[in-house]
Amino acid sequence: TQLLEQSPQFLSIQEGENLTVYCNSSSVFSSLQWYRQEPGEGPVLLVTVVTGGEVKKLKRLTFQFGDARKDSSLHITAAQPGDTGLYLCADMGINDMRFGAGTRLTVKP
Amino acid sequence: DADVTQTPRNRITKTGKRIMLECSQTKGHDRMYWYRQDPGLGLRLIYYSFDVKDINKGEISDGYSVSRQAQAKFSLSLESAIPNQTALYFCATSEQGWGYNEQFFGPGTRLTVL
Repeated sequence: TQLLEQSPQFLSIQEGENLTVYCNSSSVFSSLQWYRQEPGEGPVLLVTVVTGGEVKKLKRLTFQFGDARKDSSLHITAAQPGDTGLYLCADMGINDMRFGAGTRLTVKP
Repeated sequence: DADVTQTPRNRITKTGKRIMLECSQTKGHDRMYWYRQDPGLGLRLIYYSFDVKDINKGEISDGYSVSRQAQAKFSLSLESAIPNQTALYFCATSEQGWGYNEQFFGPGTRLTVL
């Protein structure tokens, strides 16, 4: 059974700081997605990565997919209070969809 | 209007009661999913459906059943609720095709079983 581990579990930083969160899998990802979930809402997709070594940027967010397709990182530059939320990584296979437990990020003004 | 809606948004019930959670979507997607979310465990897949009448078990299907009678609706039932089914339940949809299609989530149903 595939295990997805996200670290850190909690992260509290000041506005303007940079941060990186991680997602590691016990097996190769079919495809990796990052979602953000805000309180009282369902997760919303940020990015999908499929190819090993892939790097995608979304404004101040940079997503990296490991060469071996077993790990990924999400880096946020100059964090803002609006970045606060639960960041989830997920492996989306054809018949198996698994989520990590998430990193809960708090950005203080 | 929301593309994926869930009813009820909150429900408190007692052990042994039968509960049904409803999900409706206006996105025209063929694929629908039910997840539960528990603190520290993330989202876990309960059941999924790729088309009307198609039902597939997910990681934690025991104690749950589902029904997909129409493309737009996917209901989740707890035949006899127990306290460890207290959780946040999410419905999601996605398009046909490769597994990495984006999933669109509803707002969630908070279920408490006393």
